[in-house]
Amino acid sequence: AQSVAQPEDQVNVAEGNPLTVKCTYSVSGNPYLFWYVQYPNRGLQFLLKYITGDNLVKGSYGFEAEFNKSQTSFHLKKPSALVSDSALYFCAVRSFYNQGGKLIFGQGTELSVKP
Amino acid sequence: DGGITQSPKYLFRKEGQNVTLSCEQNLNHDAMYWYRQDPGQGLRLIYYSQIVNDFQKGDIAEGYSVSREKKESFPLTVTSAQKNPTAFYLCASSVPGQVNTGELFFGEGSRLTVL
Repeated sequence: AQSVAQPEDQVNVAEGNPLTVKCTYSVSGNPYLFWYVQYPNRGLQFLLKYITGDNLVKGSYGFEAEFNKSQTSFHLKKPSALVSDSALYFCAVRSFYNQGGKLIFGQGTELSVKP
Repeated sequence: DGGITQSPKYLFRKEGQNVTLSCEQNLNHDAMYWYRQDPGQGLRLIYYSQIVNDFQKGDIAEGYSVSREKKESFPLTVTSAQKNPTAFYLCASSVPGQVNTGELFFGEGSRLTVL
């Protein structure tokens, strides 16, 4: 069965410091991996995705994520956090073999960036 | 501008009443989805549709119904059979021709509160 785990409910970072939001996954076959961000009472916005190729993926707003197949991880990173990055972040996975297009989402990680 | 429109943004209903949430997209996307979001539980798939006049149950379909009579529209009815309907509901669609990558575009959500 497909699953996604975000082990931290909340991550606190000082503005200007690097941030990491963790994600691990379990799928059959090759994974398609995604990060989304959600601001309060809003829909989800796509940040980046890994389909194939380079393990380091760059996305919107200066975010990047590193795919690690041996550790089945896809951690979200940013070199220098901004207060405006404070939001709820979701990791999602889909198996190459799942042709229904359904994504499995993690439970979300609340990122708080303090000035 | 193209996008996904959900309405209403906020909805209050009494127990035992059916309610219908609207989702309209002008992105020409074939696939559409309904997710439910509860605090700390991430997103759970209710129903999805890959083509007009066809839809499939997701992981938590009990107490919900949908229709897909037009490509642009995928309304969700929360019936009185849904035991705990208070939640944030998100509609999404997939990019045409890229449905296998699973990238989703989301609406702004509808918050349903049952009194």
